[in-house]
Amino acid sequence: DFVMTQSPDSLAVSLGERATINCTSSQSVLYRSDNKNYLAWYQQKPGQPPKLLIYWASTRESGVPDRFSGSGSGTDFTLSVSSLQAEDVAVYYCQQYYRTPYTFGQGTRLEV
Amino acid sequence: QVHLVESGGGVVQPGRSLRLSCAASAFTFSLYSMHWVRQAPGKGLEWVAVVSYDGSTYYYADSVKGRFTISRDNSKNTLYLQMNSLSSEDTAVYYCARGRQQLVRGWLDFWGQGTLVTVSS
Repeated sequence: DFVMTQSPDSLAVSLGERATINCTSSQSVLYRSDNKNYLAWYQQKPGQPPKLLIYWASTRESGVPDRFSGSGSGTDFTLSVSSLQAEDVAVYYCQQYYRTPYTFGQGTRLEV
Repeated sequence: QVHLVESGGGVVQPGRSLRLSCAASAFTFSLYSMHWVRQAPGKGLEWVAVVSYDGSTYYYADSVKGRFTISRDNSKNTLYLQMNSLSSEDTAVYYCARGRQQLVRGWLDFWGQGTLVTVSS
């Protein structure tokens, strides 16, 4: 199975500052036939279901603010929040959908 | 707006069974793969299972394989999760989520609010 490891486990960032969350996969999620990275990022606020932020490692879902961006390829990925807002406080998860089981990272708690 | 509503959760004794349902609306249910994802109290997300748009293909996490069965009824716009031989490790909020159109591999773009399953004697 693909093991997804996020770092750090928790992160405190000041409002307006940049936050960076890392995700490492135990195997490459880059599918050579279409040159796409089969990786998504989700945001989960307390008491709510997860919300899709990014897919194909760097494509923002419709309606997601452009301060959220994803990058990386192969086994190493990053989710960045360029200017942290109070409403961005949440737990963030990466997930690979390259092969079942479609495993999630353990989550990163982002705080102000 | 896509709407997913899970039901069927509750308290169940170890070794017993439970069936979860997920009613879908505001999209063409029969075109999309559907997933179950669970979250134990205070823990992270665990992917459980996926079923293809037509119900012909399905995959499971190793932790539930042989005990859980995912299925769907496209005539009723409903997704199911039959859970057998439950143990305390299955205690979690169970979310249904929409996958990609006609593809099993993909991200989960809409999620229900979840239903809590508690396995306890």
